[in-house]
Amino acid sequence: DVKVTQSSRYLVKRTGEKVFLECVQDMDHENMFWYRQDPGLGLRLIYFSYDVKMKEKGDIPEGYSVSREKKERFSLILESASTNQTSMYLCASQTGGKSYEQYFGPGTRLTVT
Amino acid sequence: SQKIEQNSEALNIQEGKTATLTCNYTNYSPAYLQWYRQDPGRGPVFLLLIRENEKEKRKERLKVTFDTTLKQSLFHITASQPADSATYLCALLSGGSYIPTFGRGTSLIVHP
Repeated sequence: DVKVTQSSRYLVKRTGEKVFLECVQDMDHENMFWYRQDPGLGLRLIYFSYDVKMKEKGDIPEGYSVSREKKERFSLILESASTNQTSMYLCASQTGGKSYEQYFGPGTRLTVT
Repeated sequence: SQKIEQNSEALNIQEGKTATLTCNYTNYSPAYLQWYRQDPGRGPVFLLLIRENEKEKRKERLKVTFDTTLKQSLFHITASQPADSATYLCALLSGGSYIPTFGRGTSLIVHP
């Protein structure tokens, strides 16, 4: 079974702090994604990566950066957390080939106070 | 602009009935359409994929249709059970792109 894990299920941080969210997958997938999910807004793509050290901006990259130093690990960084970044953060890895299905982690509920 | 619409109102049905969820899209020519299930506080789980040249796909009690003329996909769960209660998301992928665009999802509530 594919497994995608995220470093924390719940996280509370203060405004201005630097926040690291980590995601690890065990299926040797090349593509990995970070989303945030807010009520009424659905899943919004922040960044994605198609290979080690490669990254592309998604729809809402402002205030975020990412790092992919190893194939299995994709990190999301909030450079200076703000209250409007309070959200559920979901990481996904993706198969290639014919289905492009995404495997999601359990999510990190981040609260910025 | 591209738009994916799923009914924002929850669908309430009785156990044993067939649930039908709708995914409509505009300004989009998807090559693939996926359906995911999401339980509260958890990440989505992939259920089915259907390609643009396929009219229908089945998996156990699930059936998906894809009408590129109507720009619509229907997702059916037959003999629904309370355990099917969840939010269901559709996602579209254009040809040549592996990046899905997700709809906002529809909540399904199956009453015993």
